[in-house]
Parts: sequence; structure tokens; C-alpha cells
Amino acid sequence: RKEVEQDPGPFNVPEGATVAFNCTYSNSASQSFFWYRQDCRKEPKLLMSVYSSGNEDGRFTAQLNRASQYISLLIRDSKLSDSATYLCVVRPSGTYKYIFGTGTRLKVLA
Amino acid sequence: GAVVSQHPSWVICKSGTSVKIECRSLDFQATTMFWYRQFPKQSLMLMATSNEGSKATYEQGVEKDKFLINHASLTLSTLTVTSAHPEDSSFYICSANNLSHLDSQETQYFGPGTRLLVL
Repeated sequence: RKEVEQDPGPFNVPEGATVAFNCTYSNSASQSFFWYRQDCRKEPKLLMSVYSSGNEDGRFTAQLNRASQYISLLIRDSKLSDSATYLCVVRPSGTYKYIFGTGTRLKVLA
Repeated sequence: GAVVSQHPSWVICKSGTSVKIECRSLDFQATTMFWYRQFPKQSLMLMATSNEGSKATYEQGVEKDKFLINHASLTLSTLTVTSAHPEDSSFYICSANNLSHLDSQETQYFGPGTRLLVL
């Protein structure tokens, strides 16, 4: 089993739609969680950290469920510019190393 | 703040040659940097953790004699792909933690990546 698993997609959604991605992780001792965004042929960029209580940043909402070991990302009112690959990232406790999921591709269609 | 640069951005070389990639933290000191490799349509795979002033820590399956890492200063880490072969063609990305910034110590800042094509 992979340490961090994501549905690779692609998710094709119309502009304005709401879309949600899930990510599961296998290490229950994982300490920190992030969503990164990666555009084609570019480096990953931090979208948001994921906190235990859940957090929101504009149209983006992240949730963490430690009991079930998954995190989610909700994007509301999708824009064309949201088209990218969304990477789920987990940091195990006791290290600064990141474990990346395979990413979920999102295409927002006009 | 927290800008990381990489050089070169892309390189094409002949099989058997060695290629050096530089990763620099431009506005902060990074005692730890990370080197990743990403093949097309795959995720980032951590290759090694580069520690300033000491040996790098390699992930399982990564040959330390093939991928030489040197972290000689607090702002520079280098990855040398020795005797490169076509299967080494990939997107190499480095990242660094800004450990001096308490609010974002665990946030990794990524360089723009280096595309390597070995003919």
C-alpha cells in the first residue's frame, strides 16, 4: 500500500462547479498535512496547510480526519485557472521529509 | 521571502557524462535541503535529504555513488548525476525548509526544477 494515495483523475468540471478531492495516508503517526498545486512542467506550490480543525482560504477548504486517516480539499466556484494537479503531502512526525501523493488532475472547462 | 533557485533550468547531455545541478536558498539559510525526482505523469519521489556540513541521507533504492550530493554552505546544495544514462532523464526538483522562521519551519519551498535529458 502506498503511503499517500490519491485518485489520479482527471476530474473534468465546468466553471463554477464545486469539486472535492480526497487523499488517504497509511502512517497514523503523520504529523502535518498539506495541499500543493503543480502546474504542468512547473514546481509544486503550497496551496494550504491542513489543520485538525479544518481550514478555509477563500474558495478552498481543507479537512483532516485523523481517525480515518484522510484529508480532503474542496474547491468552490471553480475557475479555469484552477486547472492543475493537486498534490496531497504528508509529513511524518520526527522528520521534515515530505511524502507526496501521486496527485489529482483537475480540468476546469469553459 | 523563502525563494529557492535552481541552475540550470534544463540540460541536455550525452550518455556517460556527469551533470551538476545547483540549488540555492536566496533569502534564508537552509540547513536541510531535499532533492526530488519526478518522471512524467508521476509524483515527486524524494531521493535524498541534504544536510549542511554532513553526509546526505539517501532514500531506499537511490544510489549514493550515482547521485552525489554536496551541501557545503547554508545556502547551496548540489546534486551531481554521474555517468548519466537515458533512464536518468527526469525533472529534478530541490526544496528547502526555512528553519529560522518559526511559523513556517515545516513548509518546504521548492526550486523551479531542472529538466535533464540524456541522449
